[in-house]
Amino acid sequence: ETGVTQTPRHLVMGMTNKKSLKCEQHLGHNAMYWYKQSAKKPLELMFVYSLEERVENNSVPSRFSPECPNSSHLFLHLHTLQPEDSALYLCASSQVFSEREKLFFGSGTQLSVL
Amino acid sequence: AQSVTQLGSHVSVSEGALVLLRCNYSSSVPPYLFWYVQYPNQGLQLLLKYTTGATLVKGINGFEAEFKKSETSFHLTKPSAHMSDAAEYFCAVSDSVFGTSYGKLTFGQGTILTVHP
Repeated sequence: ETGVTQTPRHLVMGMTNKKSLKCEQHLGHNAMYWYKQSAKKPLELMFVYSLEERVENNSVPSRFSPECPNSSHLFLHLHTLQPEDSALYLCASSQVFSEREKLFFGSGTQLSVL
Repeated sequence: AQSVTQLGSHVSVSEGALVLLRCNYSSSVPPYLFWYVQYPNQGLQLLLKYTTGATLVKGINGFEAEFKKSETSFHLTKPSAHMSDAAEYFCAVSDSVFGTSYGKLTFGQGTILTVHP
């Protein structure tokens, strides 16, 4: 148990569906992240929230919409996705500006877009 | 700009044999280097990291890595492989003194380690 919980573990959706991924961290961290892990590609940072404000958005398509209502919860809202969006979506958290900062990852949501 | 190259997408060793996973990086500033491991159906876990100081870094599960500036390398080793080491390993680089710079790690493409009995 890493202290970062993601739900659901698996998700299959059609291109017209709307779904949301949820992430919760129990570590008291002040920053949360969404990463995308596609087959045979390096991990890609999608979004970063620090103190509930978005500080990074790496040119992610608008069909992905993040939400960070508080420092413990992070959502990724999905709408009209494409088959190439099928991937493992990883949430992570960290305590930024700490000398001991490191990323703690959740187990991910395996997303399949049909 | 930073980049990471992991040589060999798949490495196979026998149980008890030396594990060597190669990582080379490029960075315009002094780098901070990381190795993460991902077991099947799980997220990434930090194995070890180099920020400053001693260039030989020891991590969890008997792994260690050596930062060689002249070779721009940060190879991961373990003297004796165990079946439980089978996983995918990712090398990553950051330019942040705090280690992750808001998660802006640049990851390599990963190396899948297989351990045979």
